[in-house]
Amino acid sequence: GAVVSQHPSRVICKSGTSVKIECRSLDFQATTMFWYRQFPKQSLMLMATSNEGSKATYEQGVEKDKFLINHASLTLSTLTVTSAHPEDSSFYICSARALYTGELFFGEGSRLTVL
Amino acid sequence: SQQGEEDPQALSIQEGENATMNCSYKTSINNLQWYRQNSGRGLVHLILIRSNEREKHSGRLRVTLDTSKKSSSLLITASRAADTASYFCATDERSGGGADGLTFGKGTHLIIQP
Repeated sequence: GAVVSQHPSRVICKSGTSVKIECRSLDFQATTMFWYRQFPKQSLMLMATSNEGSKATYEQGVEKDKFLINHASLTLSTLTVTSAHPEDSSFYICSARALYTGELFFGEGSRLTVL
Repeated sequence: SQQGEEDPQALSIQEGENATMNCSYKTSINNLQWYRQNSGRGLVHLILIRSNEREKHSGRLRVTLDTSKKSSSLLITASRAADTASYFCATDERSGGGADGLTFGKGTHLIIQP
């Protein structure tokens, strides 16, 4: 089946640094990729929607300058958490919608810990 | 904001018993999906039910959808220890199913006691 790969799966960084998380669709092209954030024991909250070659659409309350999203190709979207703070520690999950079938596939998630 | 609400939030049963989880949503949908998430892992898609369907089966899973009540249920029959996970419903109620992301419920944490 279709695979969405996220890298890194775990990352620990110091407060004030920036962290980039990659989301790749390995065997299909994705028109749209979504980024979600999940705090412990909570549900997934949509952060932003990214379409290849255009600016991402951010959900209300999500700072676009803090969570930079780049969707440079039909197989790769990146989320950069800039000037990370401990409250940004969370599980970040991406999903990708396949170009021709419209099916949605989820990555395995990336756990960010900001010290 | 979260549209879906699952209940119960946590459920603990004995292996072999059936587990039922419910989900409600607030606006119209084209489809509703159920996902499983093992601790610290990504989501596994379980089943999708369309708004014009009332019931769907997949192996030990049975999903119902009542659009008049804006609710869905997930039944897992003959539960196994490996079914221990969090279960989320997700709808496309944001935009009518096209470009926007899914809206997830709060989830039910299911524990199967061996």
